[in-house]
Amino acid sequence: DAGITQSPRHKVTETGTPVTLRCHQTENHRYMYWYRQDPGHGLRLIHYSYGVKDTDKGEVSDGYSVSRSKTEDFLLTLESATSSQTSVYFCAITGTGSPFGYTFGSGTRLTVV
Amino acid sequence: KNQVEQSPQSLIILEGKNCTLQCNYTVSPFSNLRWYKQDTGRGPVSLTIMTFSENTKSNGRYTATLDADTKQSSLHITASQLSDSASYICVVSDGGATNKLIFGTGTLLAVQP
Repeated sequence: DAGITQSPRHKVTETGTPVTLRCHQTENHRYMYWYRQDPGHGLRLIHYSYGVKDTDKGEVSDGYSVSRSKTEDFLLTLESATSSQTSVYFCAITGTGSPFGYTFGSGTRLTVV
Repeated sequence: KNQVEQSPQSLIILEGKNCTLQCNYTVSPFSNLRWYKQDTGRGPVSLTIMTFSENTKSNGRYTATLDADTKQSSLHITASQLSDSASYICVVSDGGATNKLIFGTGTLLAVQP
């Protein structure tokens, strides 16, 4: 979607290696989110950010860390990738107004072998 | 436990026909309910957002209804097109400080010619 891009789109990595996924927005929005999507589950929140250097955990944060040094970039790091982290990862941003509208990126398909 | 359940899990209809997707939720407190469309390999895209006081909202051929008393919502698609083939996800927000979203697992719709 316009205004939010994720990279890479696809990645295959080996168990035990660190992996960083990037989310970039051009909307200057305050809130950014990382979700994972797995078969049989709805999207689940990993971490979110409410400003530069301000982040907090979601419901499935174990094994993940995030950083936000600039408004436009939100990084998700798998410190030591495991097969259970094979998933599709989505970044999202929220706009202004109430209720907030969410805009999702196109996703990163990560395979841990 | 906050949950969003959708039915059916999957649905096949012929082009030009109408269909209705169902969503039941047990989220409390309730702030708003959203329907998203997710094409294969893409991120979810918002169709409608309804607050507690709204009981219907339309977006082109998509009409969502909300019964906050029974905690049910439906998404009606009129005169279906091949491009409607996608997963439709019901999402409920608890309206808390972090505006937490609880996602259903989606209904996979296939429109056949």
